[in-house]
Amino acid sequence: KAGVTQTPRYLIKTRGQQVTLSCSPISGHRSVSWYQQTPGQGLQFLFEYFSETQRNKGNFPGRFSGRQFSNSRSEMNVSTLELGDSALYLCASSLRAAETQYFGPGTRLLVL
Amino acid sequence: GIQVEQSPPDLILQEGANSTLRCNFSDSVNNLQWFHQNPWGQLINLFYIPSGTKQNGRLSATTVATERYSLLYISSSQTTDSGVYFCAVPTQGGSEKLVFGKGMKLTVNP
Repeated sequence: KAGVTQTPRYLIKTRGQQVTLSCSPISGHRSVSWYQQTPGQGLQFLFEYFSETQRNKGNFPGRFSGRQFSNSRSEMNVSTLELGDSALYLCASSLRAAETQYFGPGTRLLVL
Repeated sequence: GIQVEQSPPDLILQEGANSTLRCNFSDSVNNLQWFHQNPWGQLINLFYIPSGTKQNGRLSATTVATERYSLLYISSSQTTDSGVYFCAVPTQGGSEKLVFGKGMKLTVNP
């Protein structure tokens, strides 16, 4: 069974631009979560979707948004990029709530 | 919110040595996960261990939920074990929202 895939793997943007990252979960998994990892703040939860509904949201500004499609694929969008948004963005999927989460390889975003 | 602390923050070993990583959490949890982050950034799930002990090859983990800690044992370490190890717990029962510790960087020298 294929693992969690994320695209693109690397991205360079400039301040003020917006970006969309994509995550395809393991086949059959309906829960998708997003995390941001930075050297200063570590791994921080962004949001979680299950069956196209956002169930949990972390403490991030409204510039960070996401959605999930009927095939469980998820996208996250960051508008008006800031330098501090440079990070590794990780997506995870699980079969059901509170079960093992499987992470994708991540998208490295650099904002210049 | 729940706090997760990992110790030690850094560890350097010679190949073949054993190590124990500790994870303390501030509130009761109904599950705990250990991850290994490889040099390319991917988080690999090692154990889903709400309580008790599990073993997978040279790795084993024990969670004592009543005392709010978990231990990850690495025996006969190899250079490929290098990386950062994280433990993570949900913010509340049944939640996918994980709180991660700051990680423990392991370096295994040949």
